[in-house]
Amino acid sequence: KQEVTQIPAALSVPEGENLVLNCSFTDSAIYNLQWFRQDPGKGLTSLLLIQSSQREQTSGRLNASLDKSSGRSTLYIAASQPGDSATYLCAGRFMDSNYQLIWGAGTKLIIKP
Amino acid sequence: DTEVTQTPKHLVMGMTNKKSLKCEQHMGHRAMYWYKQKAKKPPELMFVYSYEKLSINESVPSRFSPECPNSSLLNLHLHALQPEDSALYLCASSQDPNQPQHFGDGTRLSIL
Repeated sequence: KQEVTQIPAALSVPEGENLVLNCSFTDSAIYNLQWFRQDPGKGLTSLLLIQSSQREQTSGRLNASLDKSSGRSTLYIAASQPGDSATYLCAGRFMDSNYQLIWGAGTKLIIKP
Repeated sequence: DTEVTQTPKHLVMGMTNKKSLKCEQHMGHRAMYWYKQKAKKPPELMFVYSYEKLSINESVPSRFSPECPNSSLLNLHLHALQPEDSALYLCASSQDPNQPQHFGDGTRLSIL
């Protein structure tokens, strides 16, 4: 059974710092991995999607990596801003999960001004 | 602004009521999804409608029933809900089941 884990559950950093959010998964037969952002009471915004054949994807201040052999993905946020405060979720799509998304529990990020 | 539109944004209903949640997308996507999300938890997949076929999460009770009138619309009919069904209901769509999913803003449902 595929599992996706995000540690820590919460993270608080001062504004301006670079930070890394972690996502680990148990099944190396991953098809792709998607990072989302969720503001309180809102829907999910897709940030980046990395295919299994890729190692990195970048969008603005965000960079996501994928390492299938170690079962890890990271989301790097450069020069953090208070507006980056949200819950970040990763979700993997695996060959044996009928391509349904398997979700991590999320990391709640607080950027202190 | 999201390209997946959900209505209503908020819904309060009694346990004996019948209501429907609506979801619409105009991106030409061939797959649409309903998720349930409780506070501080990730979304749980309820239904997938893909290429005119419906897939159901077997743990979803029959008081929830999806309907797909056309390729742009996916409704969720609610009947005789329980207080534990109070949650954020999210709709998503994707070009096909292997492509990125795009989410609506959700409907906040409260059962009295």
